[in-house]
Parts: sequence; C-alpha cells; structure tokens
Amino acid sequence: NAGVTQTPKFQVLKTGQSMTLQCAQDMNHNSMYWYRQDPGMGLRLIYYSASEGTTDKGEVPNGYNVSRLNKREFSLRLESAAPSQTSVYFCASSEPGGWREQFFGPGTRLTVL
Amino acid sequence: AQSVTQLGSHVSVSEGALVLLRCNYSSSVPPYLFWYVQYPNQGLQLLLKYTSAATLVKGINGFEAEFKKSETSFHLTKPSAHMSDAAEYFCAVSGTGANSKLTFGKGITLSVRP
Repeated sequence: NAGVTQTPKFQVLKTGQSMTLQCAQDMNHNSMYWYRQDPGMGLRLIYYSASEGTTDKGEVPNGYNVSRLNKREFSLRLESAAPSQTSVYFCASSEPGGWREQFFGPGTRLTVL
Repeated sequence: AQSVTQLGSHVSVSEGALVLLRCNYSSSVPPYLFWYVQYPNQGLQLLLKYTSAATLVKGINGFEAEFKKSETSFHLTKPSAHMSDAAEYFCAVSGTGANSKLTFGKGITLSVRP
C-alpha cells in the first residue's frame, strides 16, 4: 500500500499563476485534510473533507479551494498564487473521530515568487 | 477552543541522555492528545496518543508520555537519546466529537549530539 501520495513534490510559481495540488489515499479512509506548514507555526488546517461529497473550511482557507473528487482523491487549488502561500503543503487522511490517527503524505514544497 | 503550547523551538541533548519535550494543553473538556514526529523531508507520523485510557502512554521507538490533568500537560520523554531521534516533534490536541480536528503546536526540533 502506498498510503497517502502527493504530487508534485516541488513547485515554483510566479505571483498570479494557478495550480492544483493532488492527493490520493489507498486506505479507504472517509476523512481527508490539507495542511500548510510554515517555520515556527506548526501545521495549520486549510480545508478538510469529513466524507466524500463534503468539504469545510479550516483555520486558514483564504486563497484556496478544494475538491473531493471521490473517496480516494482530495485536491487543493490555488487560483492566483501569492508569495504568502509559499509553504510546505501536507495532505492527510483518517477515519472520522478525534481519537483517530491521521496518516500524512510526503508533502509538496511550493515557492511563489 | 482547544490549543497546545510547546515552549521553545529547539532542544539539544547528548546521545544517551534523557529526552524531555514539553507540551501543555488547553481544553474545556478532556481531550485526545497526540505526539507526531517529522523526520527531515518527510511527512508526519504518529509517535503515540492519549485517548483517556491509561495516563502513561507508550509509543514507538522507546518514547512515552504521561497525561497529567492537574498540570494540563502531556510531556514526551525517552530515557536515552539516539542519533536517529533527531527530528521535529509536534504535540497536537483533538476534541471528542466525531468531526473533531487536530490542532497542532508549533513544533520543537530535537538535535542529538554525538
């Protein structure tokens, strides 16, 4: 099993460009999440999907959109990238429930110039 | 709202020394508490979690943590550090509802000196 996979691993964008980060999981989990990691800030939740067909905002949703394409896939879109969106982005999945372990992908390192 | 506080950003220990990483939580109800580890250029993986069973929780790689309600703490310890323990460690808290989400601390980097 691959677990949680993310593409691409690295990306450089110019201000105003758009892109989509892809995430897929093969553990049949119902819940999926997108986080961003910035130095000294820990991980902050951008959006999550509690189950297929639902999405909700997290702590820092501005400038992002998401799509839960099916149970396996959850994508994150930047419509007009800004330098403040330079970060490492992690996708995670789990079964619903606060006590559940979340499984993380390897991350996408995004730089916006 | 729930939160966790990890004081300091960096801890350095000698190989073989005790590792102690501190975490204090704030929650209006008994929470679920987690420690995750991130090795360089990797995603996070679970070290251990507290889910209201035993207050002393044992995790992978010889780590353990003790839930102390009176101190609102969930400190991570390991008796003897190994070079391979060098990583970033995150404490996280979650509520008990079905749609509860994780709230992470800022993380602390552990360095191990030979």
